[in-house]
Amino acid sequence: SQQGEEDPQALSIQEGENATMNCSYKTSINNLQWYRQNSGRGLVHLILIRSNEREKHSGRLRVTLDTSKKSSSLLITASRAADTASYFCATVNTNAGKSTFGDGTTLTVKP
Amino acid sequence: NAGVMQNPRHLVRRRGQEARLRCSPVKGHSHVYWYRQLPEEGLKFMVYLQKENIIDESGMPKERFSAEFPKEGPSILRIQQVVRGDSAAYFCASSLVNTGAGTDTQYFGPGTRLTVL
Repeated sequence: SQQGEEDPQALSIQEGENATMNCSYKTSINNLQWYRQNSGRGLVHLILIRSNEREKHSGRLRVTLDTSKKSSSLLITASRAADTASYFCATVNTNAGKSTFGDGTTLTVKP
Repeated sequence: NAGVMQNPRHLVRRRGQEARLRCSPVKGHSHVYWYRQLPEEGLKFMVYLQKENIIDESGMPKERFSAEFPKEGPSILRIQQVVRGDSAAYFCASSLVNTGAGTDTQYFGPGTRLTVL
């Protein structure tokens, strides 16, 4: 599997429900970031979590990082139809500048 | 991602033509990254540049692709003799410092969607 691999690939929920997406990676990282991409649009940065952090919150978003398992999760609480998008995790490896992205989780929130 | 500008937003080329994609980073950012995104896939790293220097081009195809980030002006991703397989969205990102330091993030532009006929 590739670095920064998300699961599930697709997730469909009802408005108001919580959505959880997971990301696994392979190598040591300096930080991990979550992005959102609406169809045909650019990426919007959501949260950056550093390798020495375990949890981070931003509004309805909660990100966890477990470096021992090389995994992260993104939780969106009380989802809205406007949250419908693809969500990507990206890792920045130690000593490198580039971000490595997974193929994303496509989230559909039904009104 | 406010501040990173890419143009054109859409570019159509015929096979064999050249494509030039431009990226103006956030003001004050000297680190630029180019990524390519195929349909239904994530972004794949292509090249990382600082002003006048290519730092990492490990994701760039060896032929037909080149990138530059001159002292003045935008970063340019150039694709010569385009083929249908080059059709993709090309994203540029910029950062204030090397994001390998762990404290900075990359800010993405809206992308250029290249279609090769």
